[in-house]
Amino acid sequence: AQSVTQPDIHITVSEGASLELRCNYSYGATPYLFWYVQSPGQGLQLLLKYFSGDTLVQGIKGFEAEFKRSQSSFNLRKPSVHWSDAAEYFCAVGAKEYGNKLVFGAGTILRVKS
Amino acid sequence: EPEVTQTPSHQVTQMGQEVILRCVPISNHLYFYWYRQILGQKVEFLVSFYNNEISEKSEIFDDQFSVERPDGSNFTLKIRSTKLEDSAMYFCASSEFWQAGSYEQYFGPGTRLTVT
Repeated sequence: AQSVTQPDIHITVSEGASLELRCNYSYGATPYLFWYVQSPGQGLQLLLKYFSGDTLVQGIKGFEAEFKRSQSSFNLRKPSVHWSDAAEYFCAVGAKEYGNKLVFGAGTILRVKS
Repeated sequence: EPEVTQTPSHQVTQMGQEVILRCVPISNHLYFYWYRQILGQKVEFLVSFYNNEISEKSEIFDDQFSVERPDGSNFTLKIRSTKLEDSAMYFCASSEFWQAGSYEQYFGPGTRLTVT
């Protein structure tokens, strides 16, 4: 069965520090991968996506993610975190073979301390 | 920038009542989806819809649920007889013609359904 694991439920970083949020997936097909961000009371905003090609993808708000097939990972990174980045981050995986539905991880709550 | 909209933002209903959650997908999108997120749990896929029919549904999407595109802009989720366990945030999403290689789904702000 398809699954997505975000091993960190909460992460706290200092403003200006670098950030890495982990995502591992188990999928029986060639996946396409997403990171979404959800601020309190808001919907899910797409941060970035990977379909094919260059394994390092750039997204909005200065985020990037790297697809590593050998590790089944798609970790999200940001070199310098801003207080406004505090939110919940979701990794999601889909595949054409599975009808384009997305399977989500449990989410990582990011806290930023000043 | 085009966005998915959902109404209402919050719906409170009594157990056994019918509810209809409404969504307006992005206008040139062809695929529509409903997901739900029970408080403290993962976002879960419910159903996808293309060309006026359900293309896939999860085991959660039983006979109590139905979807419809009643006109050229709205996409609705109906729950016929709500249960306490239907209390959740319901997200609508839409995507372009993904056979052309565009797979990203854009989500609305959600409707929080509370069943009492």
